[in-house]
Amino acid sequence: QSALTQPASVSGSPGQSITISCTGTSSDVGSYNLVSWYQQHPGKVPKLMIYEVSERPSGVSHRFSGSKSGNTASLTISGLQAEDEADYYCCSYAGSSTFHYVFGTGTKVTVL
Amino acid sequence: QVQLVQSGAEVKKPGASVKVSCKASGYSFTGYYMHWVRQAPGQGLEWMGWINPNTGTTNYAHKFQGRVTMTRDTSINTIYMELSRLRSDDTAVYYCARLIAPGSKAFDIWGQGTMVTVS
Repeated sequence: QSALTQPASVSGSPGQSITISCTGTSSDVGSYNLVSWYQQHPGKVPKLMIYEVSERPSGVSHRFSGSKSGNTASLTISGLQAEDEADYYCCSYAGSSTFHYVFGTGTKVTVL
Repeated sequence: QVQLVQSGAEVKKPGASVKVSCKASGYSFTGYYMHWVRQAPGQGLEWMGWINPNTGTTNYAHKFQGRVTMTRDTSINTIYMELSRLRSDDTAVYYCARLIAPGSKAFDIWGQGTMVTVS
């Protein structure tokens, strides 16, 4: 199972919106609405930001939203803030036959 | 509150084995599948596998099959991940993580991580 493909870096100015893509295959992202997104600050534990493509856990800002089209999922951060600077990883369920999961390669978000 | 507390850092020699524990509290231990995820220094997250704490059923990523064993002890609400035949590229932080809900496929509660150094 190959890692999902994400851009290595994305940047934006405070207040802007940015979108991070996560490209998989028809065996993972394309087959299931089971994509999640995680935020990780340096030296910290990953934090769940989005699950099941577009659902937000309690306590996560409404500035974070998710979507999916075909084999590509996306995370959008609106009203970018300095605290959003972190690494972001997508993750997809990868098969009812294997019951496996696969993470994305990760994206470094920089707030200019 | 719901939390996962992992065992401390380990230093192992190549070829040895390491066993990391993850103690759960604040929820029904047998009600949620538990997963292990690792992260090498400066690298991304890598899914290793899961265990059903209720039945002990496991499922491992192809990459780790034959080298990883996940077990649980329901009497102390603890899961374990043992990785054998360690290599230098197994140096990583190892996390246990719980699904947000039974039947879900996202990890909302994470352990603090256990650094395993193979040298």
